[in-house]
This record gives sequence, structure tokens and C-alpha cells, in this order.
Amino acid sequence: SQTIHQWPATLVQPVGSPLSLECTVEGTSNPNLYWYRQAAGRGLQLLFYSVGIGQISSEVPQNLSASRPQDRQFILSSKKLLLSDSGFYLCASTFPRGSYNEQFFGPGTRLTVL
Amino acid sequence: AQSVTQLGSHVSVSEGALVLLRCNYSSSVPPYLFWYVQYPNQGLQLLLKYTTGATLVKGINGFEAEFKKSETSFHLTKPSAHMSDAAEYFCAVSDTTRDDKIIFGKGTRLHILP
Repeated sequence: SQTIHQWPATLVQPVGSPLSLECTVEGTSNPNLYWYRQAAGRGLQLLFYSVGIGQISSEVPQNLSASRPQDRQFILSSKKLLLSDSGFYLCASTFPRGSYNEQFFGPGTRLTVL
Repeated sequence: AQSVTQLGSHVSVSEGALVLLRCNYSSSVPPYLFWYVQYPNQGLQLLLKYTTGATLVKGINGFEAEFKKSETSFHLTKPSAHMSDAAEYFCAVSDTTRDDKIIFGKGTRLHILP
């Protein structure tokens, strides 16, 4: 089975500072990878997804970016954080075939921008 | 395009009472359907999924859901609520013809009254 690691677990950053959140996956190869954000009371918002190394699709235009430097590593970044970037960030993974698109989630990173 | 509607952002039930969380979906192709649960400050965990075959699907923690194609519904039920069921529940739909994203509903927060 898949295991998804995210770090850090919590992060407090000032407005205008950079951001790097990391997600790594164990127990599978060539997964699809996803970044979601949950703002308070607003459900899940898909930010980025990736079907392979270096392949990133952006769902929402914003000051965030994503990269996939290795098959099982997915990074969420920002050059300058905004207050509105606060939220709970979740990384998810699927097997690309035969999995019915079932997603496995990491434990999340709580980001507070002050 | 696919979509999911969860009726009621908050649902309260008494301990021991029936839990019913409603989900309706829209899909132009046969869907895969999922229910996920999220406890505070944690990632999402799969409760159950419908892929093909039997329309009544049983999941973990005593939950079950029934796929009703004619009603485009996939409601989640549990005969007797327990305090530990207090959490947020997400319904989701996926396209059976693509190895791709899944679309989440906005979530329903379940409150259990003593």
C-alpha cells in the first residue's frame, strides 16, 4: 500500500516570505500526484496535479507553483506568500491505472501566513 | 464535466441515531464514486468506493452507501451514530474513462449529539 509523507506538519510564515512544502510517496511507482488546499470552511481546492516527472498541470492561477523533480517527490512552492495562502495543504497520490482513480492522502501541512 | 453536490454543510444527529449524508453527482459517463472521511488536522481517509457491480457498498466503521443511477445519488448511511463518527465527510466522483482527477464535493461536517 501507499504511504505519503508531508513536511513540515505545521508552518508559520510572514507575508512575502518564500515557501517550500514537500511530499514524498512510498510503495508505488509512477503515481499521479496532487496538491490540494483547504481554507477554513471551503472544502478541497485542487491546485496542481502531475502525471509524471516534470509534468505539472495547474488548476488555479495564483502565486504558487509546483515541481516534480523525481518520480515520487512533489514540491509546492511560492516566492512570496500572501495572507490568502493560509490553509491546510494536502498531497495525494493515485496509481495511474487500474486503481479506479482512488486517491491516497498525506497527513497535511498547516500553513499560517501572518 | 463531472460535479458533486453534498446537501447540507453541517448535519447533527444524536448518538445512536441513523446517520444519512446526502450526495448527488453529475457525470456523462459511468462514474466511480467515493466517500472519504477527514478528522481534524488529518488527511482524508477512504471510507468506501463504488466501481462496478453491487450497488450497495459497505465500508469501514459500519458505513455503507448505495449507488442509485436513476437518482444520480450515492448517499452515505450508518445505522447507529457513535461519538467517534464526528468528522467531515467528502463525496467524490471520478471518470471511468480516464486515469485522472477526482472531483470532490464541498464536504459535510457531521456533529454527534450526546
